[in-house]
Amino acid sequence: RKEVEQDPGPFNVPEGATVAFNCTYSNSASQSFFWYRQDCRKEPKLLMSVYSSGNEDGRFTAQLNRASQYISLLIRDSKLSDSATYLCVVPSGGGADGLTFGKGTHLIIQP
Amino acid sequence: DTGVSQNPRHKITKRGQNVTFRCDPISEHNRLYWYRQTLGQGPEFLTYFQNEAQLEKSRLLSDRFSAERPKGSFSTLEIQRTEQGDSAMYLCASSLQASYNEQFFGPGTRLTVL
Repeated sequence: RKEVEQDPGPFNVPEGATVAFNCTYSNSASQSFFWYRQDCRKEPKLLMSVYSSGNEDGRFTAQLNRASQYISLLIRDSKLSDSATYLCVVPSGGGADGLTFGKGTHLIIQP
Repeated sequence: DTGVSQNPRHKITKRGQNVTFRCDPISEHNRLYWYRQTLGQGPEFLTYFQNEAQLEKSRLLSDRFSAERPKGSFSTLEIQRTEQGDSAMYLCASSLQASYNEQFFGPGTRLTVL
């Protein structure tokens, strides 16, 4: 299994719909997980942190399944401004303090 | 603006030349990271500092790459004898040690090697 794996998409979703995508990770010792959002030609920005079973922030919900080693991101009532690439991020592990990023899932919200 | 800043924002160079990039982290952050990102990929970790100490280097960081953070504030990343494969976006991020791994990124330096 790759360290962090995501479906690159693109996911084309109508405005107002609910969309969810998953990320699988290989380091079973990871304790913290992150979703970053990256707009085209911009830097990644932290969207959500996940330290336990999940986290909710407004329209966004992140869930963690340790047994199956995946993290999901759910976006409800999607807005045009949600169009972006969503990067799943896992600590590199093995005593390393860097982060391992997935390739990202490209989301396009259509009017 | 109190975020992470990087300069230059863009750099075009010829193969074989040396280039240096600068990163100024958020002032109270003691950790500083360098990443490289190519089109269609997520950022790849290169190295990181805690204060002035370089604590970790990725195997991606060849001996042509060197990073410094001499006073524990800003950092520089130098690439010697650039190759076309070095063309990428070089991202800097910083974090507080207490907020483990919640990193804030700068706008990046886009390097094009001709």
